[in-house]
Amino acid sequence: DGGITQSPKYLFRKEGQNVTLSCEQNLNHDAMYWYRQDPGQGLRLIYYSQIVNDFQKGDIAEGYSVSREKKESFPLTVTSAQKNPTAFYLCASKKTGPLSGNTIYFGEGSWLTVV
Amino acid sequence: GESVGLHLPTLSVQEGDNSIINCAYSNSASDYFIWYKQESGKGPQFIIDIRSNMDKRQGQRVTVLLNKTVKHLSLQIAATQPGDSAVYFCAENDFNKFYFGSGTKLNVKP
Repeated sequence: DGGITQSPKYLFRKEGQNVTLSCEQNLNHDAMYWYRQDPGQGLRLIYYSQIVNDFQKGDIAEGYSVSREKKESFPLTVTSAQKNPTAFYLCASKKTGPLSGNTIYFGEGSWLTVV
Repeated sequence: GESVGLHLPTLSVQEGDNSIINCAYSNSASDYFIWYKQESGKGPQFIIDIRSNMDKRQGQRVTVLLNKTVKHLSLQIAATQPGDSAVYFCAENDFNKFYFGSGTKLNVKP
C-alpha cells in the first residue's frame, strides 16, 4: 500500500538523550515535512524539505535536526536541547511541480514522552 | 486558522443531523484550502479541498464553502454518523507553506 510510515508509534526519552523518529514514504513525493502537535493547538512546522539533500527550518526548529539523504526518507532527531519535547509528531509529504496538486498527506504520527 | 487555545471548541450533533464546522483563516494570499479529519491518536486524514477561485465544492456527504471576502471556510457534513466523531481542522496554503487551525471537536450523539 502507498503511504507514509512513521516509527516508532510510541517513544520514551530520558532527559539528556537524543532520539530519532523515522518517516518513510513510497508516494514518490518530493516534499516532506515534520510538524509538532500539542493538545488543543494547531500543527507547528519544525522542518521541511523540498528536494533530496536540502531542507529548511520551520517555525520551531530549535532543538531538532533532520536529514534528507533519500527521497523517501526524512528522519527527525529530537536533541537534548529541545526543552519541552513531549508531543505528538507528524510527518507529511506532498508532490511538487506545476501539474501537482497542493494536498499534503500525513503519516499516523509518533508520540514522544520525556520520562 | 482558528485561534490557538488549550480547549478545542466542541460541536455536538445528533446522529443523522447535518453538521457545520467553521474556520476563519488569516492570510489573504492563501490560494488553497484543505479540511482534515483527525481521530484520537491518529494522523490527519484528507477530507476535501478547495481552490480560491471557487466558492463551493462538494464531495461524498461533505461540502466546503469558501468566503474570501470575510476569510471564512466551512465544512458541512450531511447525515452525520457516529464514525464522523473526530477533530476537524482547516489548512490554508500560501506557496510552500501550510497554516493549520487548532480544530473543532465533533461529537456525534447516537
